[in-house]
Amino acid sequence: DQQVKQNSPSLSVQEGRISILNCDYTNSMFDYFLWYKKYPAEGPTFLISISSIKDKNEDGRFTVFLNKSAKHLSLHIVPSQPGDSAVYFCAVHGSSNTGKLIFGQGTTLQVKP
Amino acid sequence: DAGVIQSPRHEVTEMGQEVTLRCKPISGHNSLFWYRQTMMRGLELLIYFNNNVPIDDSGMPEDRFSAKMPNASFSTLKIQPSEPRDSAVYFCASSYLTGAQPQHFGDGTRLSIL
Repeated sequence: DQQVKQNSPSLSVQEGRISILNCDYTNSMFDYFLWYKKYPAEGPTFLISISSIKDKNEDGRFTVFLNKSAKHLSLHIVPSQPGDSAVYFCAVHGSSNTGKLIFGQGTTLQVKP
Repeated sequence: DAGVIQSPRHEVTEMGQEVTLRCKPISGHNSLFWYRQTMMRGLELLIYFNNNVPIDDSGMPEDRFSAKMPNASFSTLKIQPSEPRDSAVYFCASSYLTGAQPQHFGDGTRLSIL
């Protein structure tokens, strides 16, 4: 039983267009949500996060949206660049303040020049 | 700033051998996490420590796996005896314990058990 699901294993977009990566979760008690980016042969790198008290957080080309009623999280990258090609993981943090994260399976983004 | 440092980066060994993976967390971080990444199961948490104390080891697959954190700057993950199905990439991550904080990952150890 996956608590965090990324239903699209892969996504391909043209350079300059918008990339939208999606993530669904099951537990309404989750209070902190994160996106990580991972290049081959490297560890995941923290990208952006959002607290459950917000519905949007923006950092440059990256925006995360949170829809609590739908238990849905999305990451928008605008404009997409070839260097954004990587695997993107969403992760959720429970409310127990233990620091434990639960990760989705990841979505491989390919941005074509 | 030094990130999370893992060693070795690659390990190839024969089935039955003992394997020890090492991790140095970011200085000042008081939570440390060990993950395993496989194609089948994705990124799964094995065990984590808060202030050097193991908090949750429910992700450790078998008794063949053990982890220690003797001090705030060092942790090991040991597999004894190793089996081919243990082949995976093992990541270590660290973070601050207080509040919701992102975890910072090392570059992983790619383990191959022949």
